[in-house]
This record gives sequence, C-alpha cells and structure tokens, in this order.
Amino acid sequence: DTAVSQTPKYLVTQMGNDKSIKCEQNLGHDTMYWYKQDSKKFLKIMFSYNNKELIINETVPNRFSPKSPDKAHLNLHINSLELGDSAVYFCASSPSSGRSYEQYFGPGTRLTVT
Amino acid sequence: SQQGEEDPQALSIQEGENATMNCSYKTSINNLQWYRQNSGRGLVHLILIRSNEREKHSGRLRVTLDTSKKSSSLLITASRAADTASYFCATGMDSNYQLIWGAGTKLIIKP
Repeated sequence: DTAVSQTPKYLVTQMGNDKSIKCEQNLGHDTMYWYKQDSKKFLKIMFSYNNKELIINETVPNRFSPKSPDKAHLNLHINSLELGDSAVYFCASSPSSGRSYEQYFGPGTRLTVT
Repeated sequence: SQQGEEDPQALSIQEGENATMNCSYKTSINNLQWYRQNSGRGLVHLILIRSNEREKHSGRLRVTLDTSKKSSSLLITASRAADTASYFCATGMDSNYQLIWGAGTKLIIKP
C-alpha cells in the first residue's frame, strides 16, 4: 500500500492556467508538508499543516494556496502559473506534532509550465 | 531555508568501496537526519541521530555527529550500484516541525 501518494505524477500546462496537486497519506500522521525541489535539487519547504491547521507558511507567492480537508489530505492549488513554477513538488508527512520527526515523502509531481 | 551543506557535491566510486559524505550546519539542533533520493523518486528516510548521540548504525550505514563542530558524516560501506542516488541531510529542533535541508550529495557507484 502506498503510504504517501500524489496526483498527478506529471503536469504540463501553459502559463496563466490554474492547477491543483493532491496528496493523501494513509500513515495516520498528524503533520503534512509541501516542498518544492528545483532543477538543482534544492528542497524548499512551502507549507505545513498539523491536524488541518497551517503551521508553516514560508515566503511563497499568494498564487499558491494549500488546503487540508482532513489530516490525511493536503492539496496544493496554484493560480496563474508562471514559468518559474516549473519544478518537482513533493508532499510529505510526519508522525507527530511538536517535534521534528522523520518525514515520509510522496513520489513527487513534476510540473512543467510552458 | 538551507542550513546544511553537504560535501562533496558529487562523489563517484567503484562498487564495493566505501562512500563518505559530510554535512555541516550552522545552528543548534536536536536531531540530524539523512535521506536518500533515487532519480525521479521521492526522498526516503535513512537514519536519525539525536544531538546527544555520537554514532549510529543501520545495516551498511554509519552516521556520526559532532555537535561541537556542527557536522555529521554518513558512511556507506561496501557500496552497491543500487546506492546510486542523491543523499540529503536535514536538521531539526524539537520545538518546531520544520526540517532544515542541505543541498545534497550526488553519489554514483560505478560497476
């Protein structure tokens, strides 16, 4: 069984479009994250939710909006896509709140904006 | 934000040799973690070492932590082709959820 799953795996779209990426974890974890990994492999935290509450909101354009309908799901909606948004986006989860534990990553969504 | 710096950025060795990667960080930590990322895949957690530990083993992996030097090393013994991947260190504090990531070391194992 897949622990952390993301859909879609690949996303090719044009500038100006709006798109969403979905993430689900079946590990029973309280905390979920969105990361962006650029072409140089730098991993940048974007958002984190703990029990559906936003706890980390790094400097990310307002065009990015996370939504957590329940603690097993964390979706990422991106408005008005730009060329610079092209990257691989990873969802992750971790088992507990209040401490930094090991994180479990999804397979990634490769977003290409043309 | 990037705190850790991995060294070297890239490492190419023969199968069967040992591979050593280093990670340096800047601020106080409660734990340091190592992750592996195979090409086109998500990151996989390898090992976590807490700040009061000096060394930890897991199979062919050995991690050391020197908090006085703010550095850690990951040793992979008897490397295999399947160890070819990027390796990342990340540091964490118990007071928050966020891990601070290094830039990664790309390891290539030549058959």
